Amino acid sequence: QQQVKQSPQSLIVQKGGISIINCAYENTAFDYFPWYQQFPGKGPALLIAIRPDVSEKKEGRFTISFNKSAKQFSLHIMDSQPGDSATYFCAASITGGGNKLTFGTGTQLKVEL
Amino acid sequence: SAVISQKPSRDICQRGTSLTIQCQVDSQVTMMFWYRQQPGQSLTLIATANQGSEATYESGFVIDKFPISRPNLTFSTLTVSNMSPEDSSIYLCSSSAGYNEQFFGPGTRLTVL
Repeated sequence: QQQVKQSPQSLIVQKGGISIINCAYENTAFDYFPWYQQFPGKGPALLIAIRPDVSEKKEGRFTISFNKSAKQFSLHIMDSQPGDSATYFCAASITGGGNKLTFGTGTQLKVEL
Repeated sequence: SAVISQKPSRDICQRGTSLTIQCQVDSQVTMMFWYRQQPGQSLTLIATANQGSEATYESGFVIDKFPISRPNLTFSTLTVSNMSPEDSSIYLCSSSAGYNEQFFGPGTRLTVL
């Protein structure tokens, strides 16, 4: 079964700190790994994505680290801000496999002042 | 990125009735998808809406319960048929322009009494 396991379920970080969310996958055919940010009452918004040919991708304060041998990837939010408080989902898909996303279980992030 | 709108944004329905949710994309896209998100939970793919042909359903979802139409490259509908309280959920439409990136609409929040 194609699964993506995500941890932690919830996370509290102080303003200015680093938020780290981890995901692990089983299916080695996965070749696209996006992260989505969802605010209450809104649809998920694509935040950043990575492919297995690189080990890290950075966009502003958001960085994805990818470990192909361990089948793990993580999202790092640097200088976390209260406005980053949201639910974050990792996902994975197979190019040419219908682009169907398999989502992790989500992490509820709260950034405190 | 594509801009996606959904109608209605929310509805409260009686058991045994049906609701049709509309999804409109502001540009022609290759792929459209329908997801379900239980409150506080992750996203589960219901089906891929295929233009000009029958939708492709994921395990656990059937056409009689969730008929889907996609008459053109920018529009799709999902009907939730013969509803029960267990169908109370957020229904999300997403689109992909042929690459892996997938963008989501704001969701339709359905409550079945």
